[in-house]
Amino acid sequence: GNSVTQMEGPVTLSEEAFLTINCTYTATGYPSLFWYVQYPGEGLQLLLKATKADDKGSNKGFEATYRKETTSFHLEKGSVQVSDSAVYFCALKGGSGGSNYKLTFGKGTLLTVNP
Amino acid sequence: EAQVTQNPRYLITVTGKKLTVTCSQNMNHEYMSWYRQDPGLGLRQIYYSMNVEVTDKGDVPEGYKVSRKEKRNFPLILESPSPNQTSLYFCASSWGQYTDTQYFGPGTRLTVL
Repeated sequence: GNSVTQMEGPVTLSEEAFLTINCTYTATGYPSLFWYVQYPGEGLQLLLKATKADDKGSNKGFEATYRKETTSFHLEKGSVQVSDSAVYFCALKGGSGGSNYKLTFGKGTLLTVNP
Repeated sequence: EAQVTQNPRYLITVTGKKLTVTCSQNMNHEYMSWYRQDPGLGLRQIYYSMNVEVTDKGDVPEGYKVSRKEKRNFPLILESPSPNQTSLYFCASSWGQYTDTQYFGPGTRLTVL
């Protein structure tokens, strides 16, 4: 079945630092890939997505590229802000052996950005 | 405002006392789902519903029940809660099962003593 592995946190950065959170997946076919963000005390929000190989999802300065050859979808941001402090989840849906009825999530990465 | 609401937001209960967590969405979404979030495990799907009166098990359905009598509501029922069901629960909805974007509620933190 499908699975998602993302780098374990916590990750602590200073404001304006460069951010990378690694995410790799196991799935056959062409699943859709997502990054969700969970701010303290809130539910998850879709941050960005990509639905086919080489697609780049982007939002709020964050980017991730769907790399089928390396089965990866790493999240990057060039200059983080204190307000980016949150838990980030990589997720996938679908693919040949997977279900379109659910998202398969990674375990989440806690990001803390200090002023 | 388009949203998914859950009630209660926080609940402390005792083993064996039946409880219901409500979930409601105002976006006329067909697909709804329940997840639980546990430290080190991420989110795991409990049950999902593709439409009214159509529900199916997710990855961790044991100890839970659901119903979908109306399109907007998808309550999660714990008939006899146990301490291992202490968790953070999220309801989510989307237009359909093939739709990429799911909208999540704010979460319900449940503690079973």
